[in-house]
Amino acid sequence: DGGITQSPKYLFRKEGQNVTLSCEQNLNHDAMYWYRQDPGQGLRLIYYSQIVNDFQKGDIAEGYSVSREKKESFPLTVTSAQKNPTAFYLCASSIRTEEETQYFGPGTRLLVL
Amino acid sequence: GDSVTQMEGPVTLSEEAFLTINCTYTATGYPSLFWYVQYPGEGLQLLLKATKADDKGSNKGFEATYRKETTSFHLEKGSVQVSDSAVYFCALNTGNQFYFGTGTSLTVIP
Repeated sequence: DGGITQSPKYLFRKEGQNVTLSCEQNLNHDAMYWYRQDPGQGLRLIYYSQIVNDFQKGDIAEGYSVSREKKESFPLTVTSAQKNPTAFYLCASSIRTEEETQYFGPGTRLLVL
Repeated sequence: GDSVTQMEGPVTLSEEAFLTINCTYTATGYPSLFWYVQYPGEGLQLLLKATKADDKGSNKGFEATYRKETTSFHLEKGSVQVSDSAVYFCALNTGNQFYFGTGTSLTVIP
């Protein structure tokens, strides 16, 4: 089955701790994305990557970092600099960035202890 | 800038009622338009899309028509079911970035 997997489903972060959210796709898509979803605010773009070893900041990149060392993987690190990390994080991919449908993973809910 | 505006919810309907969720957009050029659905605790699933003016996207009884003259892409369904209860997102892709609306929560009661 082709698709996007995200892990873990729930993640807890302590104050001052960095945590990494996993996103893997086996769709052979070039482009991958990370969104943050807060209640009543829709989706906001954190980072995106059009190709391996390249990525760009989205609208709310501060306090987050990413890497794209492999085509199928796009992990997101929520750093201690992100002061309000509690949210639902969604990873998506598309064949390429321009005018193509995005396909979403099941999401990771991050909670701060 | 580019953006999507969709009607605020929550929307509550009885089973078999007619559904309309309004969506309007602002964009330069000729964007592609999408409706996504999100069930509780899950990611977004593509419901339908339209890539040019006057195109009609349809899936599972839902329809939306790309209206360039009114910059709209309203979602409709003739007879909703309890299983349609979810949050619906309108979105556009300008070729550079996706823009999502804030979502409209739909609850269908038996």
